[in-house]
Amino acid sequence: GQNIDQPTEMTATEGAIVQINCTYQTSGFNGLFWYQQHAGEAPTFLSYNVLDGLEEKGRFSSFLSRSKGYSYLLLKELQMKDSASYLCAVRSDYKLSFGAGTTVTVRA
Amino acid sequence: DTEVTQTPKHLVMGMTNKKSLKCEQHMGHRAMYWYKQKAKKPPELMFVYSYEKLSINESVPSRFSPECPNSSLLNLHLHALQPEDSALYLCASSQDQGRSLTPLHFGNGTRLTVT
Repeated sequence: GQNIDQPTEMTATEGAIVQINCTYQTSGFNGLFWYQQHAGEAPTFLSYNVLDGLEEKGRFSSFLSRSKGYSYLLLKELQMKDSASYLCAVRSDYKLSFGAGTTVTVRA
Repeated sequence: DTEVTQTPKHLVMGMTNKKSLKCEQHMGHRAMYWYKQKAKKPPELMFVYSYEKLSINESVPSRFSPECPNSSLLNLHLHALQPEDSALYLCASSQDQGRSLTPLHFGNGTRLTVT
């Protein structure tokens, strides 16, 4: 099994930057994924990391350190529509397991 | 818009009913998944089909019965459910279960209420 930890809630101001940390313990690591989920909707794929380092996709970036079992998702130039839950998910033995999610609230 | 389509969007059923959830994708993906999500909880894996064969069953009770008629369709048959089975049921697909680089694409889910 795996243990995936991320903060429960974060609040930030419109236009600011927020970093969501995720730590994990797992065997058979295949990759780490980040998903965004608005209330009552399906998770939407944002980014993934298989190797160590930073992956940048527009306003979203994700970082991975496999030796530390650590990842973060960086959201830049926050917009009101970014208010959502952000799920860290670890693929291990070809199964994708999710963390509990971080609820990000963007304030004007 | 999602490329994974789930029907129905909402379902209310009694504990003695038999119902089915349906999922369809036309992206040519060969792996399909059922997840269950309770309110304010992360999605939990239930079943994985790879190339139309059941490859993972996460010890799901037999009152949930998956079926994969072809590479585009995935069903979840429900029978004699309990109120605690009420949840959002999410279908997902990916290019290939064995390739870690491919993300899962989720449908919008079926919100199930068992009365």
